Parts: sequence; structure tokens; C-alpha cells
Amino acid sequence: DAGVIQSPRHEVTEMGQEVTLRCKPISGHDYLFWYRQTMMRGLELLIYFNNNVPIDDSGMPEDRFSAKMPNASFSTLKIQPSEPRDSAVYFCASSLRGRGRNEKLFFGSGTQLSVL
Amino acid sequence: GQNIDQPTEMTATEGAIVQINCTYQTSGFNGLFWYQQHAGEAPTFLSYNVLDGLEEKGRFSSFLSRSKGYSYLLLKELQMKDSASYLCAVRDNYNTDKLIFGTGTRLQVFP
Repeated sequence: DAGVIQSPRHEVTEMGQEVTLRCKPISGHDYLFWYRQTMMRGLELLIYFNNNVPIDDSGMPEDRFSAKMPNASFSTLKIQPSEPRDSAVYFCASSLRGRGRNEKLFFGSGTQLSVL
Repeated sequence: GQNIDQPTEMTATEGAIVQINCTYQTSGFNGLFWYQQHAGEAPTFLSYNVLDGLEEKGRFSSFLSRSKGYSYLLLKELQMKDSASYLCAVRDNYNTDKLIFGTGTRLQVFP
């Protein structure tokens, strides 16, 4: 299995531009998570999906952020308009619900976003 | 509310033993995870505890005390490649699937 695939690996954009981050989860996984990581705040959960349905988006910072999962193999996180404070590493992770509730997250390589 | 505390940085010597502590205060509890993250890379799973006690896996062990809201990760026979950040994460409610991470402990191993 190729693991969780994210694109792009790096994104540099100017303030006000739209940014779209993409994620392909591991085939067969039923949960997908979007996290943001900064030095100050660590890994923050933004939103997660179960079977393509958004379950909890309470971590999405504001209306500029939106996420979709149109099918089991693809998700996007969009920022419009982007601001310098959005600069961070954005991770996508997927997991498969297990009986023991010990399911671990498999992370993608992340997207390093820089908003100038 | 939810609060997970870890030391920000630690240093140790190759071949030594190091213990990384994690304390948590959450509205509920259903499992604690440790992840390892090398610089510039994604976090990878290390261990899982849901019952009190010690879980051993090779050079790494993880301990949990639910009554104290406390866990530690023990790394033995340290190697240079163990230099990384170690993230403590808690699942705070059986009915949700959210994993809340601490800010991580950056461990540097010196020769």
C-alpha cells in the first residue's frame, strides 16, 4: 500500500489567494482527519470524516477554511482567502475502526504551506 | 476542557535511558497514544495504552496511570536515530474518534 498521499508537498502563495490541499487516504480506511501543525500549538485537529461524512469540524479556525470528501479515496482542504497566519504544515491522516478502539492514525507526508 | 502537558525538550546520551512524561486532563478518557515524529516527517505510531500498567515493545515501553492522568514513554539503549519529537495523544471520549495531541517533546540524543 502506498500509504496516505498528500499533495502538494510544498505550497508558497500570496495573501488573499486560494489554496487547495489534497489527500488520498489508505484504501479501505473509513476515517480521514485533517490536522495542522505549528511550533506554538503543535498538532491541531481541524476536521474529520467517517465514511466520507464530516463528523466534527469544530477545529476549523474560521469560515475561510472548508473541507470536502466527495468519495472514499479523496479529500480536499481549501483556504480562501489565505492569510500569513495560515502558514503551517497540514497533515492528512486515515484510520480503520477496530474492535479494540486502538486504531492508529496513518499520516501523510504533509503539505508545508507558506503564505506571504 | 482538554489539556495535555509534556516537557518541551530533553537531551540524553547514546546508550542511556530516557523517560518522557505526559500528564493529561480531559473530560473523559479512552486511550492514550505515543507517536514519534522525526524532523520534517510525518508522525508514526509507537504505542497505545488504555489500561493501567506498562506496555513493552522492544526498546520502547509506555506506562499509564488513569487515576493520576499520567503516562510516560521509556526509551532504552538510546540510539542517535531516536532523536525526534515524541507526541502524547489522548482519545477523550469513547463516543468520539478525536485524538488530541500534546505539543510534543523534542529529544536530542548525543554521542
